[in-house]
Amino acid sequence: SQTIHQWPATLVQPVGSPLSLECTVEGTSNPNLYWYRQAAGRGLQLLFYSVGIGQISSEVPQNLSASRPQDRQFILSSKKLLLSDSGFYLCAWSTGHSEAFFGQGTRLTVV
Amino acid sequence: GQQLNQSPQSMFIQEGEDVSMNCTSSSIFNTWLWYKQDPGEGPVLLIALYKAGELTSNGRLTAQFGITRKDSFLNISASIPSDVGIYFCAGANINFGNEKLTFGTGTRLTIIP
Repeated sequence: SQTIHQWPATLVQPVGSPLSLECTVEGTSNPNLYWYRQAAGRGLQLLFYSVGIGQISSEVPQNLSASRPQDRQFILSSKKLLLSDSGFYLCAWSTGHSEAFFGQGTRLTVV
Repeated sequence: GQQLNQSPQSMFIQEGEDVSMNCTSSSIFNTWLWYKQDPGEGPVLLIALYKAGELTSNGRLTAQFGITRKDSFLNISASIPSDVGIYFCAGANINFGNEKLTFGTGTRLTIIP
């Protein structure tokens, strides 16, 4: 069966520090991968999606970037965090012809 | 980015009551999905709908894909404490292997003791 792993679960980082969140998927090949952000009490905003290695599409202009160095690995990064980057970050995967499945999320607090 | 209009934003009900929420869009979708999110966790898929007019059940949950393809609703019958959480609808056009989900703003369900 397919599983998705996302880490860390929680993270507290100072303003201006770098960020690296990792997501890996097991049990499937060539998945579509997604990064979402959820502000407190709000819906999910799509940040990035990828249909293959090295292929990244950005949905909104922001302080973040994404990379897909391997087929089942998706990384969310920032060189310098802003206070406004705080939120709940969710990684998700789909086969491209089905619904998306989410990881457990990373709660990021920028202080 | 685009979001679907989901209502109500919150619901306060007593255990045993039925729940109904809906989602509307200005765009047509060929797929409607309903997710539930518990605090501090990722959303979990409840029901997927792939055909206009389709009515699908999953235990006490029933969801329908609107005929116009611009709306969907979710019903929960005889609510129980574990139904508490945030429910999200999502629309997509899953055709060409590059679908993106557009999410509703969520309905927060609270059960009053």
